Amino acid sequence: AQSVSQHNHHVILSEAASLELGCNYSYGGTVNLFWYVQYPGQHLQLLLKYFSGDPLVKGIKGFEAEFIKSKFSFNLRKPSVQWSDTAEYFCAANTGKLIFGQGTTLQVKP
Amino acid sequence: EPEVTQTPSHQVTQMGQEVILRCVPISNHLYFYWYRQILGQKVEFLVSFYNNEISEKSEIFDDQFSVERPDGSNFTLKIRSTKLEDSAMYFCASSGRSDYPRLREQYFGPGTRLTVT
Repeated sequence: AQSVSQHNHHVILSEAASLELGCNYSYGGTVNLFWYVQYPGQHLQLLLKYFSGDPLVKGIKGFEAEFIKSKFSFNLRKPSVQWSDTAEYFCAANTGKLIFGQGTTLQVKP
Repeated sequence: EPEVTQTPSHQVTQMGQEVILRCVPISNHLYFYWYRQILGQKVEFLVSFYNNEISEKSEIFDDQFSVERPDGSNFTLKIRSTKLEDSAMYFCASSGRSDYPRLREQYFGPGTRLTVT
């Protein structure tokens, strides 16, 4: 069955720390992967997406993610987080419908 | 920038009552979706809709659920007889034209929090 899993459920960082959120997927076919962010009180917004080509994709607000096919992974990274990055982050695979991971709550301390 | 909107933001209803959740997708989008998130759980796909028909539905989307596009702008989710376990955040999403379903970028609304008492 198709599935997406996120390893970290709750991450607490200080400002300027580096961030890496794990995402693994299980899907037999061609996969298209997304990271969405949900800031407190707001709707899900697309951070970045991978369809094909360069496995290192850059998104908004300094985020990037690397698609590693051999590891079935699509980890989200940011070199230096800010307090405003406090939000919930969702990895998702698009098979025609979105299959979401559990979500990771990121809390950045000022 | 165009947005998906949803009303109401919060709906409280008694068990057994019917509820209708409303969504206005982005105006030139053709594909519409409903997802839900029970507190503490994953966001789950419910149904996708295109050309006035359901394209795909999940196991959750049983006979108690229905979707409709009553006019050119609204997209609604109806739950006929709500149960306690229907309490969740319901998200509407829409996407534009693409030949490949996997490539369609979905834009989400802010959600409706449904509380069934």
